[in-house]
Amino acid sequence: DVVMTQSPLSLPVTLGQPASISCRSSQSLVYSDGNTFLNWFQQRPGQSPRRLIYNVSNRDSGVPDRFSGSGSGTDFTLKISRVEAEDVGVYYCMQGTHPYTFGQGTKLEIK
Amino acid sequence: QVTLKESGPALVKPTQTLKLTCTFAGFSLSTTGMRVSWIRQPPGKALEWLARIDWDDDKFYITSLRTRLTISKDTSKNQVVLTMTNMAPVDTATYYCARSSVPGDFDYWGQGTLVTVSS
Repeated sequence: DVVMTQSPLSLPVTLGQPASISCRSSQSLVYSDGNTFLNWFQQRPGQSPRRLIYNVSNRDSGVPDRFSGSGSGTDFTLKISRVEAEDVGVYYCMQGTHPYTFGQGTKLEIK
Repeated sequence: QVTLKESGPALVKPTQTLKLTCTFAGFSLSTTGMRVSWIRQPPGKALEWLARIDWDDDKFYITSLRTRLTISKDTSKNQVVLTMTNMAPVDTATYYCARSSVPGDFDYWGQGTLVTVSS
């Protein structure tokens, strides 16, 4: 199975400052059809996960444009250009080939 | 509007079988490309995908729990059912169902249901 490794696991950030989360996979996520199925999810305290980014860099409807995804092969990044209070929560990367696997999660908090 | 909602027992005893139902609206699981998965999250821990059923009735399971899981669908009722046998305290978790569609996975999630395994 593909192992997803996130860093850091804890991310204290000052309001208005940028934040970056790394996600590495144990093998390339480039599928046979050329697509790369790497998604990012946000889980606010007490809530269900919410998808932010799909297929590396596609932002979901309603997701603020301060969130962006990038990467290729085995290295991926979620960036928040300016952190707001509502961004507090845990962020997960997930690879979308069977069997699906998630990263350990990165807890973002405000300093 | 797409919605999913999980239902099932809040408490099960060790060795018992868990049956969870995901009732959804706003899409049909008979539509090409539609899929529904079950994902769980132990308290304070990360997400773990368990099983998936596709529009064409293909089924996929996490390897480590393959022998304990069964996923099925009732398209007429807009429901997906997950059964997990031989429950143990380590299976205590919030269980979510989530939809996948083209082009990506898990675009909609249910609210989750907490299942506690205890005697």
